[in-house]
Amino acid sequence: EVQLLESGGGLVQPGGSLRLPCEASGFTFNSHWIHWVRQGPGKGLMWLSRINGDGNVATYARSVKGRFTISRDNAKNTVYLQMEGLTAEDTAVYYCVRESTSQGLFFDHWGQGTPVTVSS
Amino acid sequence: SNDLTQPPSVSVSPGQTARITCSGDNVGEKFASWYQQRPGQSPVLVVFQDNKRPSGIPDRFSGSNSGNTAILTITGTQVLDEADYYCQTWDSSTVLFGGGTRLTVL
Repeated sequence: EVQLLESGGGLVQPGGSLRLPCEASGFTFNSHWIHWVRQGPGKGLMWLSRINGDGNVATYARSVKGRFTISRDNAKNTVYLQMEGLTAEDTAVYYCVRESTSQGLFFDHWGQGTPVTVSS
Repeated sequence: SNDLTQPPSVSVSPGQTARITCSGDNVGEKFASWYQQRPGQSPVLVVFQDNKRPSGIPDRFSGSNSGNTAILTITGTQVLDEADYYCQTWDSSTVLFGGGTRLTVL
């Protein structure tokens, strides 16, 4: 069974940093791009970043480029999202998402999400 | 513009057909996907590659995509289909989501 388990969320002060791990299981980890998507309170889905199976290609949404860094450790089946300079606008549930290997770019498995609250 | 526009809400009676649109410049040139999100839960893929259903998704869910509009159709809508629905495609290396549509079944 495919599983994506996010952790690391919590309360952080404005200007602070946080690292979110996503541990994967149940599939060949290095065969898949992995993405991060977030959802603010009462808001829609917002794509943040993605990383390829080898970990050497990463792209970011314009709104987080330069503040967020995605990485992966294939030996640990884990993807990370390092977040810096957090503001209240970054308050959201953060989802780790698996991209399908089928044609087209779509997400066939989502984690349960980890909540991040940025507040003093 | 690479924005995807969805109606904020759609309402149908049980048994009726619900159609949720997703509009964007030349969205038909890329595969569209749709996700269902029930309150307090993670999104679930219900349609991919415009009109395919993952295993376990009822055949009352279908999709189409042409020109500037992708459409999710739910035929014989059930109360349990009440949820938020998001369309998704991509543009070069950026993933695009629609703003989401709240489907109310009453």
